Amino acid sequence: EAQVTQNPRYLITVTGKKLTVTCSQNMNHEYMSWYRQDPGLGLRQIYYSMNVEVTDKGDVPEGYKVSRKEKRNFPLILESPSPNQTSLYFCASSFLGGDYNEQFFGPGTRLTVL
Amino acid sequence: GEDVEQSLFLSVREGDSSVINCTYTDSSSTYLYWYKQEPGAGLQLLTYIFSNMDMKQDQRLTVLLNKKDKHLSLRIADTQTGDSAIYFCAEIPYGGSQGNLIFGKGTKLSVKP
Repeated sequence: EAQVTQNPRYLITVTGKKLTVTCSQNMNHEYMSWYRQDPGLGLRQIYYSMNVEVTDKGDVPEGYKVSRKEKRNFPLILESPSPNQTSLYFCASSFLGGDYNEQFFGPGTRLTVL
Repeated sequence: GEDVEQSLFLSVREGDSSVINCTYTDSSSTYLYWYKQEPGAGLQLLTYIFSNMDMKQDQRLTVLLNKKDKHLSLRIADTQTGDSAIYFCAEIPYGGSQGNLIFGKGTKLSVKP
């Protein structure tokens, strides 16, 4: 089944404790992206990647890192999480260069930073 | 800069039509999209429209595009309780890569039985 998976789905952590949220897609998509969703603010892009070893900042990259060592995986790293990073995070992927390029979203990771 | 605006809430009765409106700023967008987010889930592409079209119909869904006013709407006929969700309008702005969608804040549709 074509899908984007994220782990964990739920995470409660404390300020300053490094964490990684994994994202994997099985559709051979070039493009992958991380968003955060906050009430009243909609979806805001954190980082995106056009292909392996190619990443770039989105609208709200501060406090986050990403890597793209393999085409299928795009982990989101919070080196020193803070309470303002409490949010719902979505990973998404799509082909590039095609027609309307549907983005496929993962199920989301709800992160709480105490 | 690019911006996509939507009203935040819409409430309708089951069986009525729902109309969700969106305005966007970048007239160079090639495609405009509607994504649906059901409770506790990620977003899924609901429908899209190519910028040289005025209207697209897909079963109960009708998308209208007014390029002059930069206005996009989604009409859901015979709205059902299963249509309760958040609906996001999105565009790819001029110069953006095909993956860099700009989303509106989302319209939460509540359907009352």
